[in-house]
Amino acid sequence: GAVVSQHPSWVICKSGTSVKIECRSLDFQATTMFWYRQFPKQSLMLMATSNEGSKATYEQGVEKDKFLINHASLTLSTLTVTSAHPEDSSFYICSATALAFQETQYFGPGTRLLVL
Amino acid sequence: GENVEQHPSTLSVQEGDSAVIKCTYSDSASNYFPWYKQELGKRPQLIIDIRSNVGEKKDQRIAVTLNKTAKHFSLHITETQPEDSAVYFCAAVNTGFQKLVFGTGTRLLVSP
Repeated sequence: GAVVSQHPSWVICKSGTSVKIECRSLDFQATTMFWYRQFPKQSLMLMATSNEGSKATYEQGVEKDKFLINHASLTLSTLTVTSAHPEDSSFYICSATALAFQETQYFGPGTRLLVL
Repeated sequence: GENVEQHPSTLSVQEGDSAVIKCTYSDSASNYFPWYKQELGKRPQLIIDIRSNVGEKKDQRIAVTLNKTAKHFSLHITETQPEDSAVYFCAAVNTGFQKLVFGTGTRLLVSP
């Protein structure tokens, strides 16, 4: 099956610092990757859609200068939370898909971010 | 854009009972409807999905029905087991845009 990994699984950082989260498709080439944010006891909210080699498309209300997304290869996308603040503390989950999977997205295990 | 509503927010059943979770969507162009199970602190796992050209799909104890006219779809779990306890999310996708829009989630608790 399609496997997606994320690193790190959890991170604690000080307010004002930047944090980078990696999302990798391990056994397939992902034409599109997605980044979601999930606050406790809430649903997954799409932050941005990322296609390899092109700029990410951000959802309304998501600051692109704060959440930098890079999709440099067909197996790797990164999300950098710049100048993190406590309100950025959340569960960040990526997903990936390929043309062969049609609409099915495969999710990474998530990264829990705590900003102190 | 698409909006997906999900009910109930919590559902408690006894082991062996059936559980039904309902979702409605707003965009008639949505044509793919997956259901995910998420355990605490873990990734969402696809448990079943249905496309708009199908009215019903079943996989062992799990079934999904879709009413395109009414724009609603439902998840049915029969013979529930304690390990079915989790949060379940429905979602809708307009495959032209690829974006998954999730429902608000249903916390299912199956008591032994």
